[in-house]
Amino acid sequence: AQSVTQLGSHVSVSEGALVLLRCNYSSSVPPYLFWYVQYPNQGLQLLLKYTTGATLVKGINGFEAEFKKSETSFHLTKPSAHMSDAAEYFCAVSGDSSASKIIFGSGTRLSIRP
Amino acid sequence: KAGVTQTPRYLIKTRGQQVTLSCSPISGHRSVSWYQQTPGQGLQFLFEYFSETQRNKGNFPGRFSGRQFSNSRSEMNVSTLELGDSALYLCASGAGGFTDTQYFGPGTRLTVL
Repeated sequence: AQSVTQLGSHVSVSEGALVLLRCNYSSSVPPYLFWYVQYPNQGLQLLLKYTTGATLVKGINGFEAEFKKSETSFHLTKPSAHMSDAAEYFCAVSGDSSASKIIFGSGTRLSIRP
Repeated sequence: KAGVTQTPRYLIKTRGQQVTLSCSPISGHRSVSWYQQTPGQGLQFLFEYFSETQRNKGNFPGRFSGRQFSNSRSEMNVSTLELGDSALYLCASGAGGFTDTQYFGPGTRLTVL
């Protein structure tokens, strides 16, 4: 069975500061890992995904994440936060049966202080 | 390319009624998945349809059902609505391959009174 744990339901950073959202996964098979963002009253938008190959994955809007198998982690980072980054972020895993069955973490709400 | 569309965007029903939600995938996508999002349970996988066949199913009661048409459009039906069915229902489409990205629609907000 697969699962995802996001550490911190709410993270607040100052504009221009580093953003770090933590995600740990559990999977009995090589995982596919995703980060999605959800803005208020909208669906989910894919930020980035890891399937195979390079462990440092770059996504949209300046975000990146690093797959660390030894730590079973896939933390999301952005060097400098913008006000527009305020949203809910979901880490997710798949690979057990098909890419369509995605298991999501509980989400982290990111707030940006001016 | 047009994105995933879901109709209606908002719906209010009463307990015991049934409801049908619709999802139109991105053109060319053959896989449609449905998810339920609630504050308490988060995002949970309902089921996936690929080429008109249910390919994956989550842990939801039989009151939740779906189907897919030959043009890949999908409908989800919930019968005998309960208060706990109030949620945002999200639809996602993809090409259907194992590593293909899923693209989500804006969701249908269902409120059960």
